[in-house]
Amino acid sequence: DAGVIQSPRHEVTEMGQEVTLRCKPISGHNSLFWYRQTMMRGLELLIYFNNNVPIDDSGMPEDRFSAKMPNASFSTLKIQPSEPRDSAVYFCASSLSRRPHNEQFFGPGTRLTVL
Amino acid sequence: AQSVTQPDIHITVSEGASLELRCNYSYGATPYLFWYVQSPGQGLQLLLKYFSGDTLVQGIKGFEAEFKRSQSSFNLRKPSVHWSDAAEYFCAVGGSGNTGKLIFGQGTTLQVKP
Repeated sequence: DAGVIQSPRHEVTEMGQEVTLRCKPISGHNSLFWYRQTMMRGLELLIYFNNNVPIDDSGMPEDRFSAKMPNASFSTLKIQPSEPRDSAVYFCASSLSRRPHNEQFFGPGTRLTVL
Repeated sequence: AQSVTQPDIHITVSEGASLELRCNYSYGATPYLFWYVQSPGQGLQLLLKYFSGDTLVQGIKGFEAEFKRSQSSFNLRKPSVHWSDAAEYFCAVGGSGNTGKLIFGQGTTLQVKP
């Protein structure tokens, strides 16, 4: 298996632009997680899905952020409009199920820079 | 509420020396505990996990960790560090609401001296 795939790996954009990050989870995994990593706040869970349904989006910072999972093999995280403080590394992870003992497999991340 | 504290932000050890990275958690019930490693520019990789049974767990790359309920700790150890172990290490706790949600510590950066 190729593991969790994220695209793009790097994104540089200007303030106010729309940004879309993409994730393909490992085939057969039913849970998908979006994280944001910054120096100041560390690794934060933004939202997670189980069987394509958003279960907990309490970590989504504000209405500018939205996430979708239209099918079991694809998810997007969208920021509109983007701001410099959104600059971070965004990780997608997947696991077999929402059971707490299941390992989360992380993608390589998308490094977002908002100028 | 669940929380994880990694008291050491940065640790430097000599190659071949032993290593212990500290992790303290706050959780009401029996926690699910994890250690992940992140190499520069990479995603996180699971080293080991604990959720029941033997309190000393073995992981990949020669790492082990010991769950101590009385101290609310889950420290990561390795008897002899290799230069390739230089990375950032994250402790995480899960289990709340029987979900897969994890709370991560701030991470400890390990530097290995030749």
